[in-house]
Amino acid sequence: NAGVTQTPKFRILKIGQSMTLQCAQDMNHNYMYWYRQDPGMGLKLIYYSVGAGITDKGEVPNGYNVSRSTTEDFPLRLELAAPSQTSVYFCASSYSTGQGSTDTQYFGPGTRLTVL
Amino acid sequence: KNQVEQSPQSLIILEGKNCTLQCNYTVSPFSNLRWYKQDTGRGPVSLTIMTFSENTKSNGRYTATLDADTKQSSLHITASQLSDSASYICVVKEGSQGNLIFGKGTKLSVKP
Repeated sequence: NAGVTQTPKFRILKIGQSMTLQCAQDMNHNYMYWYRQDPGMGLKLIYYSVGAGITDKGEVPNGYNVSRSTTEDFPLRLELAAPSQTSVYFCASSYSTGQGSTDTQYFGPGTRLTVL
Repeated sequence: KNQVEQSPQSLIILEGKNCTLQCNYTVSPFSNLRWYKQDTGRGPVSLTIMTFSENTKSNGRYTATLDADTKQSSLHITASQLSDSASYICVVKEGSQGNLIFGKGTKLSVKP
C-alpha cells in the first residue's frame, strides 16, 4: 500500500493564482482531512470529509475549497492565492467510527506552498 | 478555550540518554490523547493513543502517561537514538465534535 500520497511536493504561486493540491489514499479509509502547518505552530484543520460526497469546514477554511467524489481522493483547491496561505499542507486519512473513535490518522508527506 | 501546551519547546540530549516531554491541555470534553512523531520534512506518525481510562501506554522505547485529573501527559523516551531526532506533537481529541487540537510540538535533537 502506498498509504497517503500528495502532489506536488513543492509549489510557488503568485498572488491571485489558483491551484489544486492532490491527495489520495489506498487504505479504504472513510475519513480524510486537510491540515496546514505554519512555522512554529500546531496543525490547523482546514476541511475534512467523513465519506464520498460529504465535506465539512474545519478551523481555518477561508480561501479553500474541497470535494470528495470518491473514497480515495480528496483534492484541496486554493482560489486567489494570498501570502497568508504560505504554509505546509498535510492530507490525512483514517477509519473512524465517530467522535469517540481512537482511529489513527495517517498523514501524507506534505506539500510546501509559497505564495509570492 | 481548548488548548494544548507542550514543554520544553526544544531539547538537546546525548545519544543513549533518557528524556521526558510534557503536555498540558485544557480541552473539554476530553475524548483521547495522542502523541505523534514528525521527522523534518515529513508528515506526523502516530506513536500512542490513550483514552480517559488509560494511565500509560508504550510503543517500544516510547512510553506515554496520562493523568486525566490534572490534564497532563508525558512522553518518555528511553535510551535515545539519533533517529529519535524529530518534533513530538501532543494532540487531544475533543469529545463533543471530535476535533483534534494540536500542540506546537517539542523539537528533540539527539547528539552523538
